[in-house]
Amino acid sequence: QQQVKQSPQSLIVQKGGIPIINCAYENTAFDYFPWYQQFPGKGPALLIAIRPDVSEKKEGRFTISFNKSAKQFSLHIMDSQPGDSATYFCAARRAGNQFYFGTGTSLTVIP
Amino acid sequence: EAQVTQNPRYLITVTGKKLTVTCSQNMNHEYMSWYRQDPGLGLRQIYYSMNVEVTDKGDVPEGYKVSRKEKRNFPLILESPSPNQTSLYFCASSSFSGSRRATEAFFGQGTRLTVV
Repeated sequence: QQQVKQSPQSLIVQKGGIPIINCAYENTAFDYFPWYQQFPGKGPALLIAIRPDVSEKKEGRFTISFNKSAKQFSLHIMDSQPGDSATYFCAARRAGNQFYFGTGTSLTVIP
Repeated sequence: EAQVTQNPRYLITVTGKKLTVTCSQNMNHEYMSWYRQDPGLGLRQIYYSMNVEVTDKGDVPEGYKVSRKEKRNFPLILESPSPNQTSLYFCASSSFSGSRRATEAFFGQGTRLTVV
């Protein structure tokens, strides 16, 4: 059973657009929600993360929005660039340091 | 340079032949873990370790073993590999934030394993 549900599976946007990737969870024991970016042939790289007591966090062009009551969180990429084309994973950490990942979203940014 | 190093990067083996994938980090991190990545399933945690001699099962531990005898190394052992363990494997490490919470900050480059 997938503990963290991620959508969409793939996404195509024009350069400058704002792709949005959504994740949802059920387990209220999760206390940390990171996002990762993965390029082909590479390991995932930590992009940005949020804790459930914060509703929004921005780092550069990347923003996480967090809705604790709905148990949903999303990644927004402002002014997207072709170099942002990658696979993005959301994840959640349980208090015992066990991590659960979403199934990934393949993002393509068209020049 | 801070890094997590896995070896080998690619491995083809036969069913039942024991193998070890090594993982080493140079950041003095206490927390290390192993994942497998499969299409459509994302990453799934196999085992994790909070410190030397302390290991815990992740979501999919069946068929795998780990050991943590030194802080920097966390090898993944498949004692009798089967074709359903064909996958892309990642090792990860991180320091702890407050209250001994891991942040899963650094991943290795991956090991592509094929079991025939």
